[in-house]
Amino acid sequence: GAVVSQHPSWVICKSGTSVKIECRSLDFQATTMFWYRQFPKQSLMLMATSNEGSKATYEQGVEKDKFLINHASLTLSTLTVTSAHPEDSSFYICSAPVVAGGTDTQYFGPGTRLTVL
Amino acid sequence: AQRVTQPEKLLSVFKGAPVELKCNYSYSGSPELFWYVQYSRQRLQLLLRHISRESIKGFTADLNKGETSFHLKKPFAQEEDSAMYYCALAGLGAQKLVFGQGTRLTINP
Repeated sequence: GAVVSQHPSWVICKSGTSVKIECRSLDFQATTMFWYRQFPKQSLMLMATSNEGSKATYEQGVEKDKFLINHASLTLSTLTVTSAHPEDSSFYICSAPVVAGGTDTQYFGPGTRLTVL
Repeated sequence: AQRVTQPEKLLSVFKGAPVELKCNYSYSGSPELFWYVQYSRQRLQLLLRHISRESIKGFTADLNKGETSFHLKKPFAQEEDSAMYYCALAGLGAQKLVFGQGTRLTINP
């Protein structure tokens, strides 16, 4: 089956620094990937759609200058949290779709837990 | 606006008992509805989708457009069903998912 990986699985950083999270589709190509954010005991909230070779599409209320997304290849999307603050501490999850039989199935990464001190 | 509501944060039933996880949605068009499951220390994975009309691991879910619901049901719960369950919605043809708050299902022996 399709596998999506994320790196790192967890990261701790100081306030004001930037953190990069990678999302890779290991055995398939993905022109589109999605980034979600999950606060403790809350649901997943879509942050942005990562588009290979073009700009990401951000959901309402998500600061694009704060959360930089780069989708430079068909198997890699990166999310960079710039000038991180404690309120950015969260669980970040990516997903990538596989189209088969005319239907899309989203495959999720294991998530990256970010803690900003 | 698209919205998915799962009214129960926690649900606990005994092994062998029927289980129903509730999901209601709000969407102006024709949505695609999904149930995702997350077992302990595992990633989120698709359990079933309404267009497939199939039973996965004994679970079924019927889309009721009149009641805007997509409840997940299983007649006889098993201990391995203990997990976090998320109902999700996507607009037709779209890939972006809107998730409900999730229901933590615990099956007691």
